[in-house]
Amino acid sequence: RKEVEQDPGPFNVPEGATVAFNCTYSNSASQSFFWYRQDCRKEPKLLMSVYSSGNEDGRFTAQLNRASQYISLLIRDSKLSDSATYLCVVSLNTGGFKTIFGAGTRLFVKA
Amino acid sequence: GAVVSQHPSWVICKSGTSVKIECRSLDFQATTMFWYRQFPKQSLMLMATSNEGSKATYEQGVEKDKFLINHASLTLSTLTVTSAHPEDSSFYICSARAPGIGTEAFFGQGTRLTVV
Repeated sequence: RKEVEQDPGPFNVPEGATVAFNCTYSNSASQSFFWYRQDCRKEPKLLMSVYSSGNEDGRFTAQLNRASQYISLLIRDSKLSDSATYLCVVSLNTGGFKTIFGAGTRLFVKA
Repeated sequence: GAVVSQHPSWVICKSGTSVKIECRSLDFQATTMFWYRQFPKQSLMLMATSNEGSKATYEQGVEKDKFLINHASLTLSTLTVTSAHPEDSSFYICSARAPGIGTEAFFGQGTRLTVV
């Protein structure tokens, strides 16, 4: 089993649609959770951190369920510029800090 | 946020030669940096953890004699791909955490290596 698993995608949605990405992680000792965005041939960039209480940043809402070891990202009113790969990222400290990436979910938003 | 600079952004080299990639933290000191490799349409795979002043910790399956990592200062880690072969062609990215600035990782711009 992969340490971080994501929806395989790709997701093809029209502009204005709402799209949700899911992610599960296997290590219950995981401490920090993030969603990163990666554009083609570019480095990943932090989209938002994920907290147990849930957090929202504009059109983006992230949720964390520690009991189920599940993370989600909701994008409302999709824009063409949202087209990218979204990476679920988990960090943990097991005698040394480690960041683990999910395989990513590709999103294509079409006009 | 913190800034991590990676150089070069792309490099083409002949098979059998060695290539050095630099990763610098510009506005913070990073005792630990991470090196990743990403093949097309795949996720980032952690290769090794670079520790300032000590040996790097390599992930299973990564040849430490082929991917030499040096972390000689708190702001610089280097990855040298020795005796590169076409199958080493990939996107290499470094990252670092900035102490006191949350727990997220900050990434360099990545280096696209093509071995011909």
